[in-house]
Formats: sequence, structure tokens, C-alpha cells
Amino acid sequence: DAKTTQPPSMDCAEGRAANLPCNHSTISGNEYVYWYRQIHSQGPQYIIHGLKNNETNEMASLIITEDRKSSTLILPHATLRDTAVYYCIVRGGSGGSNYKLTFGKGTLLTVNP
Amino acid sequence: DSGVTQTPKHLITATGQRVTLRCSPRSGDLSVYWYQQSLDQGLQFLIQYYNGEERAKGNILERFSAQQFPDLHSELNLSSLELGDSALYFCASSLIRDSPLHFGNGTRLTVT
Repeated sequence: DAKTTQPPSMDCAEGRAANLPCNHSTISGNEYVYWYRQIHSQGPQYIIHGLKNNETNEMASLIITEDRKSSTLILPHATLRDTAVYYCIVRGGSGGSNYKLTFGKGTLLTVNP
Repeated sequence: DSGVTQTPKHLITATGQRVTLRCSPRSGDLSVYWYQQSLDQGLQFLIQYYNGEERAKGNILERFSAQQFPDLHSELNLSSLELGDSALYFCASSLIRDSPLHFGNGTRLTVT
């Protein structure tokens, strides 16, 4: 799996957009970018994933650069409940033999009132 | 609610004992994954099953074993427990092997 690099921590004001960056410069062509978050000792929660196009769902937007070497997770209107550790993970896609998720240390996002 | 059910939520046992953790995947999901999360190690992949067959192994100790049954539920067996086995154990499931994983809320194991 390609390795990812994330800042260890970030702060965001409640109601503002939270933009979480991730570098994955060694990503392969068939590898997806996944984002999960973990709220204090709960199970990791799936947020979104993408291959090369930008993706949006009810939770967040994922912006992947054209060269696919980095991505940004955007929470459009952060709330206090979004305080969590956010993990950016590169995962083998269809045809690959590696379907597990390899978690790094992630980014602790703290949303402040 | 992810739809993945793990039991028990908490488990306290003594060193040297054996425990079984149970996971019921989301309805229809064929793949089950087990992860261990301790304070100093983060989330570590242990093992994956797909439709009853072992498909991938991670940092799983020989004292640990798992299986996925015909009804697709899975059990993780931990034996000869040591203090260092105290951790959160998460199960995740996915529809097929490259679908997103959905995690349960874990079993907190405390070995005293």
C-alpha cells in the first residue's frame, strides 16, 4: 500500500469548513483514497473514497489532485461532533490482492466553539 | 449505527485465560476483518475472511485465531492472554472485497 502523510493535528472553528490534507505521492494507478474518522474509542467510521475524480456525499467532499499525489477532505460546516481523528488511507482497488485498510496516525481535528 | 455487531462490549479476564470475541457483519456482507487497537500501536490489521475463507493475515499472534462461519459471523479467539493483549478489538465487514469497510464499536479487552 502507498504510504500517506497527514498533519498530526488541526483546529477548526465551528461552522467553518475544515480542510484536511493528505499526501500520497507513491499511489498506484488502481489504488483508491479512502477517508475514515474515529471519534474517541468508537469504531472507525467510513466517510468517503475516490479514485481520481472529486467525490461528494452527505458527509464530506473529497478533492484529489490531477496527479493523484495528494487529496483534501472537506467538511463544509464543521460541528463540535466532528472532533475526531481523521485517517487518509490508500487501498488497493479491483484486481489488486490487498483489500485491507492500513491505518496511520491520522489527523486529530479539533472543532472549537 | 454501522450494522456491524460485536459482543461482548467489555471483557475483563486474567492472564493465561482464553476468550472469544464475536462479530456479526452487516446483512449481506461477505468479508470480515479484525483489527486491534492499543494505546501505543494504533489500529493494527489482524486477519481477513471472505465468504468463510481466510484471505489475508496481518500482525496476528500465533496465540490468536479466527474463523468465519457459514452464516458469515466471525469469531476471534485469544488464548494464553498476556497483559499486553489488553486493547480494543474491532471487527469490520464489507460487501465484497473492495467495498468500503464498516466497523463495529469494538470489544474492550482488559487482561489483569
